[in-house]
Amino acid sequence: DAGVIQSPRHEVTEMGQEVTLRCKPISGHNSLFWYRQTMMRGLELLIYFNNNVPIDDSGMPEDRFSAKMPNASFSTLKIQPSEPRDSAVYFCASSLAGEGGFTDTQYFGPGTRLTVL
Amino acid sequence: QKEVEQDPGPLSVPEGAIVSLNCTYSNSAFQYFMWYRQYSRKGPELLMYTYSSGNKEDGRFTAQVDKSSKYISLFIRDSQPSDSATYLCAMSTTDSWGKLQFGAGTQVVVTP
Repeated sequence: DAGVIQSPRHEVTEMGQEVTLRCKPISGHNSLFWYRQTMMRGLELLIYFNNNVPIDDSGMPEDRFSAKMPNASFSTLKIQPSEPRDSAVYFCASSLAGEGGFTDTQYFGPGTRLTVL
Repeated sequence: QKEVEQDPGPLSVPEGAIVSLNCTYSNSAFQYFMWYRQYSRKGPELLMYTYSSGNKEDGRFTAQVDKSSKYISLFIRDSQPSDSATYLCAMSTTDSWGKLQFGAGTQVVVTP
């Protein structure tokens, strides 16, 4: 299994530009999570999907952030317009959720290191 | 105040020593407790998972949960330089649909 795949691995952009991060979850997993990690705030959950439906987006910092999951094998996180304070490592994770709602192990991708100048 | 508190370290120990890590939390609804390990420039990976209170052992790793004190621990016996990483505790409630609350992570350095 290839694991969770994220692209790009590194992104450097200028303030005001649109940034799109991509994630391919592990095949067969039905839950997908987007996290942001910074030194100051640690690892924060931004949004998660179950069966392609957004369940909780309360962690999305503001309207500049949006996420989609058009099908079970692909998700995007978009920042428009980007700002220097968005600089962070963005992780995507996937898992297989049971019917009880609790998800099994979350498998993390390698992350996208975003720098906004 | 954060729901989950974890000392960021760094914690430096000599090879072969026992590494002791801990987290405290404030939300009494947390029922699932996890420890993740994150190597530099990698994504976190699950090490240990415990439901409710008690101990769990897996090789050199032991996880403990004390719900009455809202305190969880991870012990690494016979530490190796390859154990050098950041260790993050995480927890969730039974109805949170996998919404994990992470600690800040403790950086551990095991010196040969």
